[in-house]
Amino acid sequence: TQLLEQSPQFLSIQEGENLTVYCNSSSVFSSLQWYRQEPGEGPVLLVTVVTGGEVKKLKRLTFQFGDARKDSSLHITAAQPGDTGLYLCAGDSGGGADGLTFGKGTHLIIQP
Amino acid sequence: KAGVTQTPRYLIKTRGQQVTLSCSPISGHRSVSWYQQTPGQGLQFLFEYFSETQRNKGNFPGRFSGRQFSNSRSEMNVSTLELGDSALYLCASSLGSAINTEAFFGQGTRLTVV
Repeated sequence: TQLLEQSPQFLSIQEGENLTVYCNSSSVFSSLQWYRQEPGEGPVLLVTVVTGGEVKKLKRLTFQFGDARKDSSLHITAAQPGDTGLYLCAGDSGGGADGLTFGKGTHLIIQP
Repeated sequence: KAGVTQTPRYLIKTRGQQVTLSCSPISGHRSVSWYQQTPGQGLQFLFEYFSETQRNKGNFPGRFSGRQFSNSRSEMNVSTLELGDSALYLCASSLGSAINTEAFFGQGTRLTVV
């Protein structure tokens, strides 16, 4: 069974601070996706990383895929209250037939 | 284009009853996956349907079943409901190709079993 461990589980910081969320596994994934979910809503796809060592930027969010394609990180610069939500990483083992494996998520609260 | 639509949004059922949830995927998407989300277990994969065939199944009991119609709409059914089935059930639509597995989720159906 493939597992994705996310850390930290909960994070509450002040507006303007920087933060990093981690997603780790002992398994190799063909791609890894990051989602953000707000209360009462479904997860919304933020980014997909495919190549080992890949770095993608989405405004103040920077996503990195580990060289061995087993881990990933999400870094947020100058966090804003609108960044509050549940951040989920999801790994695809390849072939699309096994479903995505999700981490349990990081609950992020940005206080004004 | 329209997103993924799940109905109903909220549902309250009694133990022992059965329930059917519906999902309409994004137009052109042939794959529909179902997930159960609970605070303790997070998002867990139930099953995936592609072109009316169940392509893969997660580790859930046989009380959980699904189907997909020719227009790609999907339904999932849970029979003999248990209190532990209370959860947010999410449907995700994707192209279903091995190259692109990006999933687009609906808002979910919040099921409460009493």
